[in-house]
Amino acid sequence: GESVGLHLPTLSVQEGDNSIINCAYSNSASDYFIWYKQESGKGPQFIIDIRSNMDKRQGQRVTVLLNKTVKHLSLQIAATQPGDSAVYFCAENAGGTSYGKLTFGQGTILTVHP
Amino acid sequence: GAVVSQHPSWVICKSGTSVKIECRSLDFQATTMFWYRQFPKQSLMLMATSNEGSKATYEQGVEKDKFLINHASLTLSTLTVTSAHPEDSSFYICSAYRAVGQPQHFGDGTRLSIL
Repeated sequence: GESVGLHLPTLSVQEGDNSIINCAYSNSASDYFIWYKQESGKGPQFIIDIRSNMDKRQGQRVTVLLNKTVKHLSLQIAATQPGDSAVYFCAENAGGTSYGKLTFGQGTILTVHP
Repeated sequence: GAVVSQHPSWVICKSGTSVKIECRSLDFQATTMFWYRQFPKQSLMLMATSNEGSKATYEQGVEKDKFLINHASLTLSTLTVTSAHPEDSSFYICSAYRAVGQPQHFGDGTRLSIL
C-alpha cells in the first residue's frame, strides 16, 4: 500500500560500483511493478518494469528482481555513474478494477561519488 | 518514447487565486491520465484519475471542488486549483499511459507556490 516517509532512505556509492535499491510492497494482488528515477525538479522517468509472472528482467545496466513470496522488489544498477544520482521509486499496480493506478513506495536517494 | 508535457512548470501567485495546470500527451492518445501531488522529500501521492469524456475519480481525502479536473480530449487534461491557499503549495505532476498494462509516463511537474 501507500507509504509516505519524511526521511527517505539513502544509498551512497562510488562511481563504478554496483548499486542495489530495495523496495517492499504490501499488496499481494499487485501484478505489475515499475521502477522510476526522479531527478530534482523533474517528473519520474521510467527505468524498467516487470510483471508478476517473472522474477527477473534485465535492461541496459539495470536489472529488476521480484520475489513475490516476501513481496520484495529490487533494482540493481551496474557500474553506477554520477548521472545515476537521483531518487528512485518503485511503484506497484494491483490490477483488477484499479488497473492502471500506481501506488508508489517511499523512494530511495542514490548519491554517486566520483 | 512517450512524451507527456506539463505547463506551466512554475507558478507563484497570491492567495485566493485559481491556477490551471495543463497536461498533454504529445505522441499518443490517453484516455486516462493521473494527477499526483508531491511534497519535498516525499513520495508521489495520487490525487485523482482523469478520464476522457467523463468525471474524474478522486482519491480519498482529495477535495474535488478544490481540485477541478477536466479531460476534454484524448491528449489534454487540466487541473485547476481553485481559490488556492499557501497550504496548496506543492509539486503537482501528471502522467499518462499508452494502453492498460503499460507504464505511466510523467510530465516534468508544476511547482506551485501560493503567497
